[in-house]
Amino acid sequence: DGGITQSPKYLFRKEGQNVTLSCEQNLNHDAMYWYRQDPGQGLRLIYYSQIVNDFQKGDIAEGYSVSREKKESFPLTVTSAQKNPTAFYLCASSGWTSHTGELFFGEGSRLTVL
Amino acid sequence: AQRVTQPEKLLSVFKGAPVELKCNYSYSGSPELFWYVQYSRQRLQLLLRHISRESIKGFTADLNKGETSFHLKKPFAQEEDSAMYYCALTTGGYNKLIFGAGTRLAVHP
Repeated sequence: DGGITQSPKYLFRKEGQNVTLSCEQNLNHDAMYWYRQDPGQGLRLIYYSQIVNDFQKGDIAEGYSVSREKKESFPLTVTSAQKNPTAFYLCASSGWTSHTGELFFGEGSRLTVL
Repeated sequence: AQRVTQPEKLLSVFKGAPVELKCNYSYSGSPELFWYVQYSRQRLQLLLRHISRESIKGFTADLNKGETSFHLKKPFAQEEDSAMYYCALTTGGYNKLIFGAGTRLAVHP
């Protein structure tokens, strides 16, 4: 079954702990993205990557880090520096050459900081 | 800065009624506009893009550069149209999208 897989679906974290959210895709897409979704604010871009070993900050990158060591994988680490990490996180991918605006999304991961 | 505004958090209509979900954007150049939809318990997915000038599931959207709007319309709403709708834009030749806050459409029988 092709698509984007995010894990875990639900995650609880204590304050001061780092946590890593996984995102894997088998669509052979070059570009991958991380968005944060909060009620009433829509989706805000955290980081994106156009190719392996390269990534750029989005609009709200502070307190987050990413890596892109493989084309299929784009993990997001929510660090203790993120002041308000409780949110729903969405990963997406797209074909770099298409420029169609079509992103393919995962099911999301809900992070709750206790 | 580029911005997408969806003024309605919730739009509630009866089946068969016309629907218009509003979307306004701020960008001085020529953006590409999109509508994404998320049905209950499904992933967020592309509904339509302005450049294609297509009608998907009876929905259409026209880009009005003068009013900087990209409203989504359907003449006769169906219950299965109930979902969360997001307007989005990209300003470059790349798929980095800026999303609005979303509008929840509820179609009642």
